[in-house]
Amino acid sequence: DAGVTQSPTHLIKTRGQQVTLRCSPKSGHDTVSWYQQALGQGPQFIFQYYEEEERQRGNFPDRFSGHQFPNYSSELNVNALLLGDSALYLCASSARGMNTEAFFGQGTRLTVV
Amino acid sequence: DQQVKQNSPSLSVQEGRISILNCDYTNSMFDYFLWYKKYPAEGPTFLISISSIKDKNEDGRFTVFLNKSAKHLSLHIVPSQPGDSAVYFCAASAMKTSYDKVIFGPGTSLSVIP
Repeated sequence: DAGVTQSPTHLIKTRGQQVTLRCSPKSGHDTVSWYQQALGQGPQFIFQYYEEEERQRGNFPDRFSGHQFPNYSSELNVNALLLGDSALYLCASSARGMNTEAFFGQGTRLTVV
Repeated sequence: DQQVKQNSPSLSVQEGRISILNCDYTNSMFDYFLWYKKYPAEGPTFLISISSIKDKNEDGRFTVFLNKSAKHLSLHIVPSQPGDSAVYFCAASAMKTSYDKVIFGPGTSLSVIP
């Protein structure tokens, strides 16, 4: 079992650009959540996808969008990047209807310059 | 609006002693609580959880205590080992209203000194 895999592991982008991050959930999981973790802080919930629809959303602007595919994998898109978007982006997968024990990937470190 | 608080950014404990990590929450709708451990360059790893219908849950060296009236929970690690050195996140969810949306605290960095 490969667990939750994220790609890429590191990324450098310029202000104003757009970025797409990818996540493959753990086998048997159908729900994907995305988190942003700034330095020295806990993960902040961005949104959650289940059955290819956004089900929950945290306090993030519309520049943050996502998608879930039929195989449960997911993408996080961020448009018009700001310096403040520099952070570790974590993907977590879980099985809907189970206890909320989410499994996390290793994250994508995004640096905006 | 920080709904999950961990007021101690760091904690140092001698190997073999007890580590106690504290967490407070403000949202009375939270009914499920989790602790995650995070090593550098890795994603958080689930450690232990507790439902609001319980006041204690134990798993090996790890025990979580929940005091609903005080909106407080704590994680006890006994005995502490050097491999326990990591950042510990307290997290909470409101299963009945927000399903799998999990809110994390800012974390406590635990150092276990050999």
